[in-house]
Amino acid sequence: AQSVAQPEDQVNVAEGNPLTVKCTYSVSGNPYLFWYVQYPNRGLQFLLKYITGDNLVKGSYGFEAEFNKSQTSFHLKKPSALVSDSALYFCAVREGYSSASKIIFGSGTRLSIRP
Amino acid sequence: GAVVSQHPSRVICKSGTSVKIECRSLDFQATTMFWYRQFPKKSLMLMATSNEGSKATYEQGVEKDKFLINHASLTLSTLTVTSAHPEDSSFYICSASGGTEAFFGQGTRLTVV
Repeated sequence: AQSVAQPEDQVNVAEGNPLTVKCTYSVSGNPYLFWYVQYPNRGLQFLLKYITGDNLVKGSYGFEAEFNKSQTSFHLKKPSALVSDSALYFCAVREGYSSASKIIFGSGTRLSIRP
Repeated sequence: GAVVSQHPSRVICKSGTSVKIECRSLDFQATTMFWYRQFPKKSLMLMATSNEGSKATYEQGVEKDKFLINHASLTLSTLTVTSAHPEDSSFYICSASGGTEAFFGQGTRLTVV
């Protein structure tokens, strides 16, 4: 079965510093990976996805993620954090490419950016 | 990106009553819709997958008679929490998919008193 793991419950970063939110995955075939962000009492906002191609994926709000097949990782990064980036971040894997393919979420990482 | 509208955003109901949550894909046809439940400060737990015109497929441990899912059209799915109890209080999120992409509603905060 497909799964993703987010080893950190919380990440604290000072504004202006680079940030990394970690994610590792386990899939039986080719991975189809996502990052989403959630603000309090809101749904999920799509940040970026990886299907194939370049290992460095650029997404919304200045975020990017690096796909590393040998380490089975898909870490989310941003060169310079903003206070407004503080939110709950989810890594996810989709079990296939069809509309019926389930999306399985990691446990989430709370990102806190201090001024 | 595509828009998925979920309604209501908040609902408070009395114990023993039923509550219906709607999920609409506004600008695309959603052949599949997913329903998730999120506990406070926790991840999203997939409850069920519904394909238009078919019965929903429920995940292990989810009571299909309590959480009724209907996906009668390509743009609308509903989740009805029947005979709600305080332990059903949670944040429910739908997701609609018409292909390789899936888009999420804004969620419904259900409080059962």
